[in-house]
Amino acid sequence: NAGVTQTPKFQVLKTGQSMTLQCAQDMNHNSMYWYRQDPGMGLRLIYYSASEGTTDKGEVPNGYNVSRLNKREFSLRLESAAPSQTSVYFCASTLNPDRPNTGELFFGEGSRLTVL
Amino acid sequence: AQTVTQSQPEMSVQEAETVTLSCTYDTSESDYYLFWYKQPPSRQMILVIRQEAYKQQNATENRFSVNFQKAAKSFSLKISDSQLGDAAMYFCAYRSASLFYGQNFVFGPGTRLSVLP
Repeated sequence: NAGVTQTPKFQVLKTGQSMTLQCAQDMNHNSMYWYRQDPGMGLRLIYYSASEGTTDKGEVPNGYNVSRLNKREFSLRLESAAPSQTSVYFCASTLNPDRPNTGELFFGEGSRLTVL
Repeated sequence: AQTVTQSQPEMSVQEAETVTLSCTYDTSESDYYLFWYKQPPSRQMILVIRQEAYKQQNATENRFSVNFQKAAKSFSLKISDSQLGDAAMYFCAYRSASLFYGQNFVFGPGTRLSVLP
C-alpha cells in the first residue's frame, strides 16, 4: 500500500502565482486533513474533510481553498501565493470505517513550498 | 479549545542513555487519545506511541514508553537506550474521541532531540 501520497514534494512560486497540492490515500479513510508546519509552531490545521462531500476550516484557512474530489483525494489550492505561505505542507488521513479506530493520523511525506 | 504544550524546545542525550520528553495538555474532555510522533530529517511523520485516555496502563513500544498522568494532564515520553537514529523532532499530539470536535488533532510545538555519540 502506498498510504498517503502528496505531490509535488517541492515547489517554488512567485508572489501571486497559483498552485494546487494534490493528496491521495488508499487506506479507505473517511477523514483527510491539510496541515502546515512552521518552525517552533508545530502543525497547524488549514482545512479538513471529515467525510466525503464535506470540508471545514481549520486554524489557519486564509489564503487557501480545498476540494474533496472523492473519498481518496483531497487537494489544497493557493489562489494567489504570498511569502507568508512559505512552509512545509502535510496531508494526512484517518478513520477507516471497516477497521477498529486506533485514532492516529497517517501522513504524507510533506511538500516544501517556497514563495518568493 | 484544547492545547498541547512541550516546554523543552531542544534536548540532548548521550547514546545508550535514557531521556524523557515532556508534554502537557489542556482539555475538559474525559475521552481522548494522545500520541507521540517522530519527525526525522527526512521530514516523514512517524507514529511512535499511542495512549487512550480511558486506559490507566501506560503504553510501551520497545524502547519507548510513556508516563500518562490523566489528572495532571501530563504525557511524557521516555526513550531508553537512546540510539543515533532517535535524533529527530518529537511532537506530542492530542485528539478528541468525540466526533463533535471534527476529529481534529492538536499538536505541540515540538522538541528537537539530539543524540550524542
